[in-house]
Order: sequence, then C-alpha cells, then structure tokens
Amino acid sequence: EAQVTQNPRYLITVTGKKLTVTCSQNMNHEYMSWYRQDPGLGLRQIYYSMNVEVTDKGDVPEGYKVSRKEKRNFPLILESPSPNQTSLYFCASSPIPGGLTEAFFGQGTRLTVV
Amino acid sequence: DQQVKQNSPSLSVQEGRISILNCDYTNSMFDYFLWYKKYPAEGPTFLISISSIKDKNEDGRFTVFLNKSAKHLSLHIVPSQPGDSAVYFCAARGGGSQGNLIFGKGTKLSVKP
Repeated sequence: EAQVTQNPRYLITVTGKKLTVTCSQNMNHEYMSWYRQDPGLGLRQIYYSMNVEVTDKGDVPEGYKVSRKEKRNFPLILESPSPNQTSLYFCASSPIPGGLTEAFFGQGTRLTVV
Repeated sequence: DQQVKQNSPSLSVQEGRISILNCDYTNSMFDYFLWYKKYPAEGPTFLISISSIKDKNEDGRFTVFLNKSAKHLSLHIVPSQPGDSAVYFCAARGGGSQGNLIFGKGTKLSVKP
C-alpha cells in the first residue's frame, strides 16, 4: 500500500531534550516536506527536500533541522525543543512538485513540549 | 502576508443541502489549485484540483469553480453528507519551478443529519 509513515504518532517531551520524528515513504517520490498545523494558522511549511541531499527552508524553519540521506526517509530533528514547538506535524511526499501534482500526507505526529 | 485565504473558519449545513467553501488568493502567479480534506487524527487527503486554464472541474458530488480575474475559487459539495464533516484546506502553487504548495488556514465543515 502506498503510504507516508510518521513515527511516533504522539510524543510528550521536556524543553531542551533533543528528539527526532521519522518520516518514510514507499512511493519513490523525489519531493518530501514537513508541515506544522496550529489552530487558526493552518498548514505551514517547515522544510522541504527536492531530492537526496537537497533540502531547503520553508516558511517556519527556526528551531528545526532535517536531513535527506536516502530517498525514502526525511526525519525532522528538534535539537532543543521549546514549548512553542508544541504542534501537530505532518510529513508529505510527491513526485517533483508542479502543476496539479498532489502531495501525500502522513497521519501526523502530535508533539507536546512541556 | 497570507497568500491563500480561507476567511470562514467554520461552516455548518444541513444534510442534503449544498456546502460552499470559499478561497481567495493574492498571488497572480498561482496557476494550480488543490483542495484537501482532513479528518481528526488523520493526515490531509487530496480531494479535487483545478488549473487556471479552466473555470470548473467536477468530480462526483464535488465541483471546484475558479474565477481568475477575482482571484477566487470555491468548492461546492452537493448534496452534503454527514461524512463530509471535516476541515477543508485550499492550496495553491505557481507554474514552472514554483512547486511548493501554499495552504490556507482551513474551513471546518459540519454537516448535520
């Protein structure tokens, strides 16, 4: 089954404790991206990657890191999480984006930083 | 500055009636528009799309209309069903290499039986 898989689905952590949210897709997509969803703010892009070893900042990259060492994986790293990073995170993938190409989303990771 | 605007945070309609969700955009370079549907505890899923060379696209109960001169699009759901209750996101992208999707804030649709 074609899918984007995120882990964990839920995470509660403390301020400053490094964490990684994993994302994996099995559709051989070149493009992957991370979004956060916050009440009243919709989906905002954090980072994206056009292909292996190619990453770029989205609209809200501060406090996040990513890497793209393999085509299928795109982990999101929070080196020193803070409470304002409490949010619902989504990973997405697609073929090279353009035109009406749709993005496929994972199930989401609800992160709480206390 | 918000480039894709969904000015109605919520909408409530009766089962069987029409639901109309609106979306406005400010960037005249946007040529492609996609609607996504999101249920609680799930990721967004693609619903329907339209390119700027068309003014209407229909898929079953779902129709998207595009008014390029007004920079406005709308999603019509007819007839609405309780299972349509979800958050709907409008998204846009430009042509050429401008591939990233820009999302609106979403509209929460509630369809009452």
